[in-house]
Amino acid sequence: DAGVTQSPTHLIKTRGQQVTLRCSPKSGHDTVSWYQQALGQGPQFIFQYYEEEERQRGNFPDRFSGHQFPNYSSELNVNALLLGDSALYLCASSLLSGRGEQFFGPGTRLTVL
Amino acid sequence: AQSVTQPDIHITVSEGASLELRCNYSYGATPYLFWYVQSPGQGLQLLLKYFSGDTLVQGIKGFEAEFKRSQSSFNLRKPSVHWSDAAEYFCAVGPISGGYQKVTFGTGTKLQVIP
Repeated sequence: DAGVTQSPTHLIKTRGQQVTLRCSPKSGHDTVSWYQQALGQGPQFIFQYYEEEERQRGNFPDRFSGHQFPNYSSELNVNALLLGDSALYLCASSLLSGRGEQFFGPGTRLTVL
Repeated sequence: AQSVTQPDIHITVSEGASLELRCNYSYGATPYLFWYVQSPGQGLQLLLKYFSGDTLVQGIKGFEAEFKRSQSSFNLRKPSVHWSDAAEYFCAVGPISGGYQKVTFGTGTKLQVIP
């Protein structure tokens, strides 16, 4: 079992650009959540996908969007990048029928210059 | 709204000493509670979880945590710390029911272990 995988590992973009991050959930999981972790902070919930639909959303602007595919993998898209979007982006997978126990990937480190 | 407070930003302990990391939560009912550990540059690993029942829960790597409803706390403990325990620790609270699960994390406590 490969666990949760994310790509790419690192990414450097400039302000105003767009970025797409990818996540493959743990085998058997059907729910994917995305978090933003700024330096020195705890993870902040961005949104959660189940059955290819966004089910919950945190306090993030519409520049942050996502997608879930039939194989449960997911993408996070961020448009019009700002310097403040620089962070570690974590993907977590879980079972909807579970109790919130999430398994995390290693994250994608995004740097916006 | 649910929230988590970890009052200690940074803690230093000697190897072999005992450890307690504090966590207080705010939630309308009994929540699901978690402790995660994050090594530098890594994702989060689940140490232990509390859903219901026995208020003292055992986790991996010799960690345990105690749920105290009256104090809205879920403190993490370890009797004897090893140098490899140096990392950042996050307490988190989740919804009581299944369904769409929004998990809220605290700001973390960074643990330094000195020889």
